[in-house]
Amino acid sequence: QQQVKQSPQSLIVQKGGISIINCAYENTAFDYFPWYQQFPGKGPALLIAIRPDVSEKKEGRFTISFNKSAKQFSLHIMDSQPGDSATYFCAASLTPASKLTFGTGTRLQVTL
Amino acid sequence: GAVVSQHPSRVICKSGTSVKIECRSLDFQATTMFWYRQFPKQSLMLMATSNEGSKATYEQGVEKDKFLINHASLTLSTLTVTSAHPEDSSFYICSAIGTGVSYEQYFGPGTRLTVT
Repeated sequence: QQQVKQSPQSLIVQKGGISIINCAYENTAFDYFPWYQQFPGKGPALLIAIRPDVSEKKEGRFTISFNKSAKQFSLHIMDSQPGDSATYFCAASLTPASKLTFGTGTRLQVTL
Repeated sequence: GAVVSQHPSRVICKSGTSVKIECRSLDFQATTMFWYRQFPKQSLMLMATSNEGSKATYEQGVEKDKFLINHASLTLSTLTVTSAHPEDSSFYICSAIGTGVSYEQYFGPGTRLTVT
């Protein structure tokens, strides 16, 4: 019930394209769904987060789509750039201040 | 923005010795700190949650006596890996939630531990 499943494991996108990463959760008590970006040898950094009361949230080139009934949420990166090449993790928690359950991660490579 | 630091960034120790990793919130008071472990090309796995002034809560399967966590002040938590073995080699990351800042978890830059 605590798992968060993430796909794909890796993703190659051309510069300017759209990167899409999907996550699914089981625990309906989860109430906070953040996405993190991690570069090699660094700690993760919060990209964008959503609560279940909205179906979509956009910040710059990053958009989260949330489907509460399907228990799924996804990250869309518009106009993908080589600098976006990193590992992306979805996560879920009961509250923003609670411990996070991370997805398995997606390695994104944006090619020229 | 809120900043979390970790020290050291890298450490190499011999098998059987102990090593201490510090996690500090630089510009806010951290009421709760989390410790994660990340093996190469894998996700972050929560090890324990610590609240200032109280004992840490460990996740299932994490040895309390091996991974000692102390959250003695509102700006400092330490993780001590006791009697380290090569299988303890990993990337250790802390995060903090505090007062006076937004409710998100702020992550430190991580500490690479290598046990030889």
